Amino acid sequence: GQQLNQSPQSMFIQEGEDVSMNCTSSSIFNTWLWYKQEPGEGPVLLIALYKAGELTSNGRLTAQFGITRKDSFLNISASIPSDVGIYFCAGLRNYGQNFVFGPGTRLSVLP
Amino acid sequence: ETGVTQSPTHLIKTRGQQVTLRCSSQSGHNTVSWYQQALGQGPQFIFQYYREEENGRGNFPPRFSGLQFPNYSSELNVNALELDDSALYLCASSLAISNEQYFGPGTRLTVT
Repeated sequence: GQQLNQSPQSMFIQEGEDVSMNCTSSSIFNTWLWYKQEPGEGPVLLIALYKAGELTSNGRLTAQFGITRKDSFLNISASIPSDVGIYFCAGLRNYGQNFVFGPGTRLSVLP
Repeated sequence: ETGVTQSPTHLIKTRGQQVTLRCSSQSGHNTVSWYQQALGQGPQFIFQYYREEENGRGNFPPRFSGLQFPNYSSELNVNALELDDSALYLCASSLAISNEQYFGPGTRLTVT
């Protein structure tokens, strides 16, 4: 079963608004990845995080590796219609293991 | 640089049949991971291949098997297909084990 939780499950926002979503677990992770998936396509890597407390940006997207190492956050500023999609977090607990994916946050942007 | 490619794009099979899905990894990547994604869910890890050897397997039965070739491309084979096997099958490649994974577009499998 899923070891990662994502919230919110879905969100509807107005174009131009900022968005915040998070990914949490009861276990410690050493790497966090954030992906975006659009209908009929594979997930696209947005941001990778490797150290607790790390804050990394990719354009209007900013992600943070939680200091407890049990969570991660993704923010999108000034949302636009093309931000629509499902955002997945993926965590890696230890080297040699495999990434675990969260259930996703579905984002809808209203014009 | 060519990204991850998968074939076929779509496939319809009958329960009990066998299917082979193919994946070409991104140039320079020696690790391939396969995932099953049911509608409305996150990807579920099936297994990973590193330099032609299986390196980790998720909670999938033995009728899910795979191969990795010397050029690091990979195949996913599923025997005795069941209706619940209907899903998007994703392949992801990475430079090495535990590195960032880059996904292909997926193969949509429908079992009737």
